[in-house]
Amino acid sequence: DAKTTQPPSMDCAEGRAANLPCNHSTISGNEYVYWYRQIHSQGPQYIIHGLKNNETNEMASLIITEDRKSSTLILPHATLRDTAVYYCIVHSGGSNYKLTFGKGTLLTVNP
Amino acid sequence: GAVVSQHPSRVICKSGTSVKIECRSLDFQATTMFWYRQFPKQSLMLMATSNEGSKATYEQGVEKDKFLINHASLTLSTLTVTSAHPEDSSFYICSAWSDRASTDTQYFGPGTRLTVL
Repeated sequence: DAKTTQPPSMDCAEGRAANLPCNHSTISGNEYVYWYRQIHSQGPQYIIHGLKNNETNEMASLIITEDRKSSTLILPHATLRDTAVYYCIVHSGGSNYKLTFGKGTLLTVNP
Repeated sequence: GAVVSQHPSRVICKSGTSVKIECRSLDFQATTMFWYRQFPKQSLMLMATSNEGSKATYEQGVEKDKFLINHASLTLSTLTVTSAHPEDSSFYICSAWSDRASTDTQYFGPGTRLTVL
């Protein structure tokens, strides 16, 4: 399984864009980049995923580099409720794929 | 997105008793469910994977006789912590996967906080 590297923590001002980086230099061709977040004392929440192309949904945008060795999750207008631990996970998907959670990035959105 | 519920959200029990936690997929049928455990200030650790109608597959180091998992239907999985001890106190989270859901991902429940006195 491809390993990911994320900064342990980041700060962001409320209303500004939050850009969370993730390195996954050993990603293989059939592996997707998934992002989840976990707000304190809650279960993880799926945010977005992508294979090669940039993706956008109502929560965030995902920018994947052309060589696929890194990606950036963008929260365009961060709010206080976006304070959470963000996990970048690489896997090929499917029913029996076991997610391996690293330590993630603690994003703190400040007023 | 798909909704997964857990019950109870919080439970306190005495040492030596058994506790059952339910995980339900509310608006989709889950062919596979996963159980995780999270200790304070640590990340989620997968405990076991269960497919409907078959025995669960446990991760290395997880005692199958202590953590009983039943996945009797496509919408319900249960985790029973037998003879619980204080070291079993943790945040237990389930997730569910379905090939019929709109997105190929696992959907997580809100978690159950177990405190063993």
